[in-house]
Amino acid sequence: SQKIEQNSEALNIQEGKTATLTCNYTNYSPAYLQWYRQDPGRGPVFLLLIRENEKEKRKERLKVTFDTTLKQSLFHITASQPADSATYLCALDYNTNAGKSTFGDGTTLTVKP
Amino acid sequence: DAGITQSPRHKVTETGTPVTLRCHQTENHRYMYWYRQDPGHGLRLIHYSYGVKDTDKGEVSDGYSVSRSKTEDFLLTLESATSSQTSVYFCAISDEANYGYTFGSGTRLTVV
Repeated sequence: SQKIEQNSEALNIQEGKTATLTCNYTNYSPAYLQWYRQDPGRGPVFLLLIRENEKEKRKERLKVTFDTTLKQSLFHITASQPADSATYLCALDYNTNAGKSTFGDGTTLTVKP
Repeated sequence: DAGITQSPRHKVTETGTPVTLRCHQTENHRYMYWYRQDPGHGLRLIHYSYGVKDTDKGEVSDGYSVSRSKTEDFLLTLESATSSQTSVYFCAISDEANYGYTFGSGTRLTVV
């Protein structure tokens, strides 16, 4: 079965730096890859979606890359702020799964002032 | 979260009792999903629906059933709750498969 690995459970960085989160997968590449933000006690919030034929997607301070050769997606937050502190989840979707996403366990990001 | 509500937000129930969780949406989205979230396991799909009366099993469907008699409501039932079903349950909606989900705020269920 598909396995998703997100880099270390916790990532601590200084305010103003760029945070880089990793999502690695095994086996075959997904049709889509999504990133979500989750705050304690809340449901995940959709951030970005990138398709297998796209190399990069941007939204304000967020950037996602998708490398099907490395079987990896990188999620960058530039000019990070303490308000960016949260858990970030990646999710993989396959055309054959009719919308049934497989989620990673998440990486908890802490941005220190 | 706008357009999707889950009820109840918290529930404590005894082992062996039936429990029903409700997800209600006002977005008229076709797809609805039930996930559970546990430490060390992330979000796992229980059941999903792609239309009224059209449902299918997810990764961890044993012990759960669902019903969708109206576009706006998706019910998750634990027929006989067990302690292993203690978890946080999230409902999600989307208007296209594989196009990003809107999640509810979750239901924290404790089975004692």
